[in-house]
Amino acid sequence: DVKVTQSSRYLVKRTGEKVFLECVQDMDHENMFWYRQDPGLGLRLIYFSYDVKMKEKGDIPEGYSVSREKKERFSLILESASTNQTSMYLCASMPPSVADTQYFGPGTRLTVL
Amino acid sequence: EDQVTQSPEALRLQEGESSSLNCSYTVSGLRGLFWYRQDPGKGPEFLFTLYSAGEEKEKERLKATLTKKESFLHITAPKPEDSATYLCAVQAFGNTGKLIFGQGTTLQVKP
Repeated sequence: DVKVTQSSRYLVKRTGEKVFLECVQDMDHENMFWYRQDPGLGLRLIYFSYDVKMKEKGDIPEGYSVSREKKERFSLILESASTNQTSMYLCASMPPSVADTQYFGPGTRLTVL
Repeated sequence: EDQVTQSPEALRLQEGESSSLNCSYTVSGLRGLFWYRQDPGKGPEFLFTLYSAGEEKEKERLKATLTKKESFLHITAPKPEDSATYLCAVQAFGNTGKLIFGQGTTLQVKP
């Protein structure tokens, strides 16, 4: 079974803090993704990576950056957290084949005060 | 523009009352359509992938079907434990694996 883990289930930070969200997958997948999920807006893609040190912007990258130094680990960074970044953050990984499935982690509920 | 619309937004059923959830999509070239189940406060759990019109997949009380414009998730004789939000997503060719999600249908099954 594919396992995707995220560093925290719940996180509370203050406005202006730098926040790191980590995601680790154990299936040697090339592709990894970061989404945020908000009521009424669904899942929106922030960034994705298709290889180590490679990254591409998703639909809402503003205010975020990412790091992929190792294949199994994909980090999302909020350089200066703001209240409008309060959300559920979901990481996913996907093997490199024809229309394959993204497997999601348990999510991190981030609250920015 | 690639788009996914799910209906209804919310559905309440009595235990044993069968129904269907709809996922309508427009995509430049469908690589795959995915169904996920999401419980409150948790990440989406993969259910099915459908690749071409006419394809069907089943798992316990769930059956997913696909046409050129929409997909249905049929729930037969649901139980309270089937209560969850069901998400539909599409992947287009040439999109490096990006998924476009619908808003989801929240299903509540009452005993």
